[in-house]
Amino acid sequence: KQEVTQIPAALSVPEGENLVLNCSFTDSAIYNLQWFRQDPGKGLTSLLLIQSSQREQTSGRLNASLDKSSGRSTLYIAASQPGDSATYLCAVDAYGNNRLAFGKGNQVVVIP
Amino acid sequence: GAVVSQHPSWVICKSGTSVKIECRSLDFQATTMFWYRQFPKQSLMLMATSNEGSKATYEQGVEKDKFLINHASLTLSTLTVTSAHPEDSSFYICSAPDRLAGGETQYFGPGTRLLVL
Repeated sequence: KQEVTQIPAALSVPEGENLVLNCSFTDSAIYNLQWFRQDPGKGLTSLLLIQSSQREQTSGRLNASLDKSSGRSTLYIAASQPGDSATYLCAVDAYGNNRLAFGKGNQVVVIP
Repeated sequence: GAVVSQHPSWVICKSGTSVKIECRSLDFQATTMFWYRQFPKQSLMLMATSNEGSKATYEQGVEKDKFLINHASLTLSTLTVTSAHPEDSSFYICSAPDRLAGGETQYFGPGTRLLVL
């Protein structure tokens, strides 16, 4: 059974600093990995999706890397802003059937 | 982008009652939807896969007679928590892939918070 772990569980950073969020998974045989953002009382918003054959994906200030062999992914958020405060979730799709295994999330607070 | 809605967003009920939660895809058709549950400080856990026109597929450990799923149309799936008890209090969230858009990006509803007294 795939298990997904996210470290740290929570972190606070001053505005402008870069954020580094880590995700690890136990079974390296994955189809893709996604990073989501969850705001209180709202649903999840997909940020980046990395296919198993890819090493990284970038969107604006966000960059996600994938090292399938070591079972790790890292989400980098450059020049953090208060609006980046949210919980970031990592999710693994093992077979390409949209059934996702989630980590507990990284709760981020960016201090103005 | 595609939108998934859920109703209600909040529900409080007495122990023993049944609660129905709706999940709708607003601007795309969803032959498959997924139901997740999230307890405080825990990860989202997949409960079941809802299939339009056929029976839902439940994950191991999820009681199908307690969590009834109906996917009667291409835009609506419902989850009914039957004879709810306090331990069923949780955050329930649905998702749906937009197959026509490639199917790998999933769109999540805003979630339903259930409190059973």
